[in-house]
Amino acid sequence: GQNIDQPTEMTATEGAIVQINCTYQTSGFNGLFWYQQHAGEAPTFLSYNVLDGLEEKGRFSSFLSRSKGYSYLLLKELQMKDSASYLCAVMDSNYQLIWGAGTKLIIKP
Amino acid sequence: GAVVSQHPSRVICKSGTSVKIECRSLDFQATTMFWYRQFPKKSLMLMATSNEGSKATYEQGVEKDKFLINHASLTLSTLTVTSAHPEDSSFYICSASESSGYNEQFFGPGTRLTVL
Repeated sequence: GQNIDQPTEMTATEGAIVQINCTYQTSGFNGLFWYQQHAGEAPTFLSYNVLDGLEEKGRFSSFLSRSKGYSYLLLKELQMKDSASYLCAVMDSNYQLIWGAGTKLIIKP
Repeated sequence: GAVVSQHPSRVICKSGTSVKIECRSLDFQATTMFWYRQFPKKSLMLMATSNEGSKATYEQGVEKDKFLINHASLTLSTLTVTSAHPEDSSFYICSASESSGYNEQFFGPGTRLTVL
């Protein structure tokens, strides 16, 4: 079956760095997405990785290793507004998104 | 960026009634639209995928006669929850993309449905 695993919840301090991991097992691979979702709102796109390596976009970076079925989202200089759920999703061979359950990130002052 | 709207944002209805949710792509043509359901503290669950002008493809376990999807144009898809029951209470989110292959999905703001 297809499976996306990510931690349920993480806590970090304002101004610090946090890494949210995601491992996946899917039928085929056409890229991995990270989305941010604030409570009661729809997800918003953060990043897309289809090749191995690190993609940096401002305070957020996303890493992919296809051979390991592994990705992480790195958030630097954490701000209170970064408190949200972070969803990892993999596009399978049918171009369908398989979603992880999300990691709730709590930022403390 | 591409904008997707959903209407209504929140709806409360009585058990047994039907509710229609609209999803519109405002500044692009959405070849494919997706309907998701999300229960509290759970991941997004894909309900169905619809391509303009053709019947929707439903995920396993989703009743197509209960959740009617119409994708009549390249900018509008509707989801009708027929004979709603309290267990249908959920957060319904649509997304749209410009093609059926890889293309970023743009999400609507979601519709909170509460069935009394």
